[in-house]
Amino acid sequence: EVQLVESGGGSVQPGGSLRLSCVASGFTLSDFWMHWVRQVPGKGLVWVSHIKPDGTITAYADSVKGRFTISRDNAKNTLYLQMDSLRAEDTAVYYCTRAQASIEFDDWGQGTPVTVSS
Amino acid sequence: DIVMTQSPLSLPVTPGEPASISCRSSQSLLRTDGSKYLYWYLQKPGQSPQLLIYMGSSRASGVPDRFSGSGSGTDFTLKISRVEAEDLGVYYCMQGLQTPYTFGPGTKLEIK
Repeated sequence: EVQLVESGGGSVQPGGSLRLSCVASGFTLSDFWMHWVRQVPGKGLVWVSHIKPDGTITAYADSVKGRFTISRDNAKNTLYLQMDSLRAEDTAVYYCTRAQASIEFDDWGQGTPVTVSS
Repeated sequence: DIVMTQSPLSLPVTPGEPASISCRSSQSLLRTDGSKYLYWYLQKPGQSPQLLIYMGSSRASGVPDRFSGSGSGTDFTLKISRVEAEDLGVYYCMQGLQTPYTFGPGTKLEIK
């Protein structure tokens, strides 16, 4: 059974940092592009970032570019999202998701909440 | 960025009746190979999103055949032939043609 389990969320002050982790099981992480998607509670879904299976290609939403860094450790079956210079508008639930070859996000984690507030 | 719009934003439906959600993109999601980079997701209350339809019209594994996707270019439709109570939630379309991948605002399906 495919499982994605996020962790690392929490409360942080503006300007602070958090590192999210997503542990994958039930499949070979190195075979898949992986993505982060976030959702402000009660609002819609927003794509944040993605990373190629070998980690050589990454992309980011403009709203997080230069502040967030996506990475992966395939040997540890883990995806990461380093979030620096956090802002109140980064407050959201962050989901990691696996993408199939046709881009579809076929499996999602349960999400980890991030709150940025003074 | 490609802008995705959906209509309606709220959809009250009686169980057993059909339902239809429209999704429009600000540019064509059709590639030269004929692939349509349009996806439909359902987020049930308190749950993570789940994939329903990919490449415009292909049902994801385990998705009931009462769900169907159609459309091309910039106009797409998700149809539910007979709504069941378990179908309630928010439906999102998403484009995967280019980054940043973008979602529609969501359509909240409510059971009458």
